Amino acid sequence: EVQLVESGGGLVQPGGSLRLSCAASGFTFSSYWMSWVRQAPGKGLEWVANIKQDGSEKYYVDSVKGRFTISRDNAKNSLYLQMNSLRAEDTAVYYCARDVRAWGQGTLVTVSS
Amino acid sequence: DIQMTQSPSTLSASVGDRVTITCRASQSISSWLAWYQQKPGKAPKLLIYKASSLESGVPSRFSGSGSGTEFTLTISSLQPDDFATYYCQQYNSLWTFGQGTKVEIK
Repeated sequence: EVQLVESGGGLVQPGGSLRLSCAASGFTFSSYWMSWVRQAPGKGLEWVANIKQDGSEKYYVDSVKGRFTISRDNAKNSLYLQMNSLRAEDTAVYYCARDVRAWGQGTLVTVSS
Repeated sequence: DIQMTQSPSTLSASVGDRVTITCRASQSISSWLAWYQQKPGKAPKLLIYKASSLESGVPSRFSGSGSGTEFTLTISSLQPDDFATYYCQQYNSLWTFGQGTKVEIK
């Protein structure tokens, strides 16, 4: 069974940093592009970033470029999102996704003083 | 970047109604379109992939059609469990989501 389990969310002050993790199981992690998607409270879904199988290509939505870094460790079947210079508008549930068929349950990030 | 325009944003309907939601892409995405259902506090649930393929376990009252830039999600006979928010997503080039359609009880 495919499983994606996010962790690392929490409350952080504006300007602070947070690192999200996503533990993958039930499939060959190293064979897939992986993505992060977020959803602000009461709002729609927004793709944040994705990364190629070997980490050689990474893409970001404009609003997080230069602040967020996506990475992966294929040996640990894990995906990461390093979030720096956080803003109130980054408050959201962050989902890890393999493709349209496999999503995690999300982790909540709240940016507030 | 590919933009996705979904309509309507809200839809009021009754149990048994036929419901149609439309999604338009700013450029051709072939058939690389998915539809999701989301309920409060839950992750999105895949209904349709590749524009018209029904995900395993999804009731047959859900169907998808279209290609290129125009797509529709149809619920043939709305059931009580179907009151939720629906999103389209293109995955032809990176990912982009529509703004969502909330299906409410009339």
